[in-house]
Amino acid sequence: QKEVEQDPGPLSVPEGAIVSLNCTYSNSAFQYFMWYRQYSRKGPELLMYTYSSGNKEDGRFTAQVDKSSKYISLFIRDSQPSDSATYLCAMMISDKLIFGTGTRLQVFP
Amino acid sequence: DTEVTQTPKHLVMGMTNKKSLKCEQHMGHRAMYWYKQKAKKPPELMFVYSYEKLSINESVPSRFSPECPNSSLLNLHLHALQPEDSALYLCASSQDFPLGGETQYFGPGTRLLVL
Repeated sequence: QKEVEQDPGPLSVPEGAIVSLNCTYSNSAFQYFMWYRQYSRKGPELLMYTYSSGNKEDGRFTAQVDKSSKYISLFIRDSQPSDSATYLCAMMISDKLIFGTGTRLQVFP
Repeated sequence: DTEVTQTPKHLVMGMTNKKSLKCEQHMGHRAMYWYKQKAKKPPELMFVYSYEKLSINESVPSRFSPECPNSSLLNLHLHALQPEDSALYLCASSQDFPLGGETQYFGPGTRLLVL
């Protein structure tokens, strides 16, 4: 079993939709949780960072962590074509950043 | 400023060539990383430098040789690579290492093609 599981997609939604991206993990020692956005042929860009259970909001993005269920989510409201990218969840434990496989999102006009 | 810069953006090299990738950050970060990313896969950690010393080598073949000349610069020297080494090479930095909650910031990557 992988330490971090993420549905690779692709996920295709119309502009304006609410997008839900999810990751599950098996190691309860993970303490910090991140979402990165990666456009094609570019480096990952940090979107959201959190370390506690609950919700964290930043503009159209909300990160949710449920440590009891070992589950994290990223919600994108009012999705735009410019949100089309691969979204990588990542989890931190002492000396390593463990990535999910990434979910490819396509928002069509 | 959370910028990590990498040069070159693209590199094509033959299997007998020697080339170097360069990474630079001016955020005062003390940890720098090299990752390799194949298409449709997540980044895979290769090396970690902390305070200019090599902290982690993820069993990377010796044809990849990292170097950290100072706290702002990180190089990756390439020699006798194989076609399967073609990938996006990403540099990242963080405030400190081991990671105590510091986030990693990534550069745009160097897209390497080995012929």
